[in-house]
Amino acid sequence: EVQLLESGGGVVQPGGSLRLSCTASGFTFSTYTMRWVRQAPGKGLECVSSITGDAAATSYADSVRGRFTISRDNSKNTLYLQMNSLRAEDTALYYCAKDFVRALGDWGQGTLVTVSS
Amino acid sequence: DIVMTQTPLSSPVTLGQPASISCRSSQSLVHSDGNTYLSWLQQRPGQPPRLLIYKMSNRFSGVPDRFSGSGAGTDFTLKISRVEAEDVGVYYCMQATQFPVTFGQGTKLEIK
Repeated sequence: EVQLLESGGGVVQPGGSLRLSCTASGFTFSTYTMRWVRQAPGKGLECVSSITGDAAATSYADSVRGRFTISRDNSKNTLYLQMNSLRAEDTALYYCAKDFVRALGDWGQGTLVTVSS
Repeated sequence: DIVMTQTPLSSPVTLGQPASISCRSSQSLVHSDGNTYLSWLQQRPGQPPRLLIYKMSNRFSGVPDRFSGSGAGTDFTLKISRVEAEDVGVYYCMQATQFPVTFGQGTKLEIK
């Protein structure tokens, strides 16, 4: 059974940093593209970043490019999202999701990031 | 970026009746490999999203056959043949033909 467990969320002041983690199990982690998707309170879904299985390619939404960095450690089955220069509009529930033929086949429960002074 | 536009944004449906949600993309979603990377997700209240349909018309594992996807090019449809109470939630289309991945605004399905 695929399991994705996000952690690292919390309350941070504007301009601050957080690192999210997503620990995966139940599949061969290194062979799958992984994505971070966020959902602001009461709003829709936004894919903020993606990384291929071998970490050779990454992509970012315009809203986070230059501030967020996606990475992975395949030896630890863990996906990361380093978030710097956080803004109020980054407040959201952050999900990690496993790619399935360019769809999002499995999701974690999410970790909440709140940017507030 | 490809813009995904869903209609309607809210859909009150009677139990046992069909429902349909449309999704239009600002560019063709046909990839150079011939596939159309349009998927549909369901998000029940308080839950993470769940994949229903991938590559426009393929049901994901465990998805009831009352859900079906169709379309071509820039116009896509999710159909529920007979709505059940457990289908209440928000439905999103998503394209991954061109990066960045983008979503529709969501359609809220509710029971009349």
